[in-house]
Amino acid sequence: DAKTTQPNSMESNEEEPVHLPCNHSTISGTDYIHWYRQLPSQGPEYVIHGLTSNVNNRMASLAIAEDRKSSTLILHRATLRDAAVYYCILRDMDSNYQLIWGAGTKLIIKP
Amino acid sequence: DGGITQSPKYLFRKEGQNVTLSCEQNLNHDAMYWYRQDPGQGLRLIYYSQIVNDFQKGDIAEGYSVSREKKESFPLTVTSAQKNPTAFYLCASSINMAWETNTGELFFGEGSRLTVL
Repeated sequence: DAKTTQPNSMESNEEEPVHLPCNHSTISGTDYIHWYRQLPSQGPEYVIHGLTSNVNNRMASLAIAEDRKSSTLILHRATLRDAAVYYCILRDMDSNYQLIWGAGTKLIIKP
Repeated sequence: DGGITQSPKYLFRKEGQNVTLSCEQNLNHDAMYWYRQDPGQGLRLIYYSQIVNDFQKGDIAEGYSVSREKKESFPLTVTSAQKNPTAFYLCASSINMAWETNTGELFFGEGSRLTVL
């Protein structure tokens, strides 16, 4: 079973920041938090990952709560091309380090 | 450019037929994976391979078979034993599966959509 909880969908306006939440209350100390996104009829694309500290890359920022039970993916200035399903996933050591995928959050960007 | 190539992109099959989906990567990755995705759902792992000539069942391996004779190739056969094969199939690879040396980033192909008529 997926070990993360995400809202089914979110809406945001173009050129505004987007904060996508993820709860992972059963995370273990060595689980990495991964985010991927999937555009319609395409394979998922890696976005960002982190362990304890906040992370930034060219695509997004990842804010991780101090207790690691939740995290937030931040798109600083959403564009129409950011409309996708966003998956928050834990890398699970108990499953031979496989990624366990939930249904994700469908992000809708309004022009 | 390096990446993962899946073919065919669309495939139609009659009931009772086996079909094979191709997956080729030129990333020099050791690990390869096959996932199935149903509408509105996340990905479910069918099979994975850590090295050549070795593969392991994932969560939903029944009705599927794979081979890993070359590092670059990991074909998936959907057999007639798979009761509900209509789905979107995704192949992925990663550098390896060693927890200590990498963080598991997956690289995906564009998928193959299989429809059983």
